[in-house]
Amino acid sequence: QKEVEQDPGPLSVPEGAIVSLNCTYSNSAFQYFMWYRQYSRKGPELLMYTYSSGNKEDGRFTAQVDKSSKYISLFIRDSQPSDSATYLCAMSSTRDDKIIFGKGTRLHILP
Amino acid sequence: DGGITQSPKYLFRKEGQNVTLSCEQNLNHDAMYWYRQDPGQGLRLIYYSQIVNDFQKGDIAEGYSVSREKKESFPLTVTSAQKNPTAFYLCASRPRGRDTQYFGPGTRLTVL
Repeated sequence: QKEVEQDPGPLSVPEGAIVSLNCTYSNSAFQYFMWYRQYSRKGPELLMYTYSSGNKEDGRFTAQVDKSSKYISLFIRDSQPSDSATYLCAMSSTRDDKIIFGKGTRLHILP
Repeated sequence: DGGITQSPKYLFRKEGQNVTLSCEQNLNHDAMYWYRQDPGQGLRLIYYSQIVNDFQKGDIAEGYSVSREKKESFPLTVTSAQKNPTAFYLCASRPRGRDTQYFGPGTRLTVL
């Protein structure tokens, strides 16, 4: 079983829809959870960061962590064509440990 | 203007030649990382460095070498021993006490 699993997509949704992106993981020691957005041929940019379980909201983005199910989600409300990108989940167990990345989900927002 | 810079953006080399990719940061971050990204493979860790003059192998270090002589700089050399060097290479840095990494724009290396 891989440490982090993420559906590669592509996921196509109409503009204005709510998008749900998800990752599952196997290592119960993970405590720090991140979502990165990567546009084509660019470096990933940090979008959301959460510690342990719970929700975090930032504008149109909400990150959710369910440690009991080893499942994390990123919700995008009122999706825009500019949200079209690859979204990478990432997680780590300590502040000095390596970060484990999912393979990314390609998202297309259709105008 | 703070950030992480990688140069060049595109790099072409002939098979059998060593090539060095540049990574510089002026964020005063302690740790620096090199990743390789291939289609469908996600990010794979090549090398990382927590402090100056010290570095550790990542998951796919074979055929690569690094140095960390200055806090701001972490160059990666892709040697002729790397069997499949064509890829998108990403450098990242992390501030002390934080668990998030910040990425540079990447270098796309093509070996002909």
